[in-house]
Amino acid sequence: QKEVEQNSGPLSVPEGAIASLNCTYSDRVSQSFFWYRQYSGKSPELIMSIYSNGDKEDGRFTAQLNKASQYVSLLIRDSQPSDSATYLCAVSLGGYNKLIFGAGTRLAVHP
Amino acid sequence: DAEITQSPRHKITETGRQVTLACHQTWNHNNMFWYRQDLGHGLRLIHYSYGVQDTNKGEVSDGYSVSRSNTEDLPLTLESAASSQTSVYFCASSPGQPYGYTFGSGTRLTVV
Repeated sequence: QKEVEQNSGPLSVPEGAIASLNCTYSDRVSQSFFWYRQYSGKSPELIMSIYSNGDKEDGRFTAQLNKASQYVSLLIRDSQPSDSATYLCAVSLGGYNKLIFGAGTRLAVHP
Repeated sequence: DAEITQSPRHKITETGRQVTLACHQTWNHNNMFWYRQDLGHGLRLIHYSYGVQDTNKGEVSDGYSVSRSNTEDLPLTLESAASSQTSVYFCASSPGQPYGYTFGSGTRLTVV
């Protein structure tokens, strides 16, 4: 059974701080990795994708991938209260466009 | 603008009834997916399709079926609704590997 593991949180950070969210996965041949943000009562929204080892930056968000360690992370710089949500890590199963999701980490940014 | 829509947004049904949840996308995506989301389990894949006439079972497919007669629609049918199928159901579409999914707004289903 292929798995994606995330700390459920809540992760509480003060406004303006860096929030660090982590994810590990079990499928060694996974090729595509995603971070989704989900506000309470809403649908998941894609915020970052990463396909190769290293860092990928988009605005305040940085995704990091280490395939050898089977580890994906998301950094949110200058965290805002509007970033308070559940963040879902998703990993493709093998080379297919079929995603396995982690259970999500709840992030709370307090003023 | 292209979109993916689900209907109904909320549904209450009785145990044993057949229920169909609709999903319609105008992205012209080949790939479509159905997930359910429950507390403590995250998103779990029910069924998926990589194109017209193609359907595949996911990890929690028992009691569910789908059909794909055109690119735009992938309806999800609960053959005989059970209380264990009370959940939030999300439909998603994708242009294919390596891209991510776009999700619909979800259907909250309650089986009483």
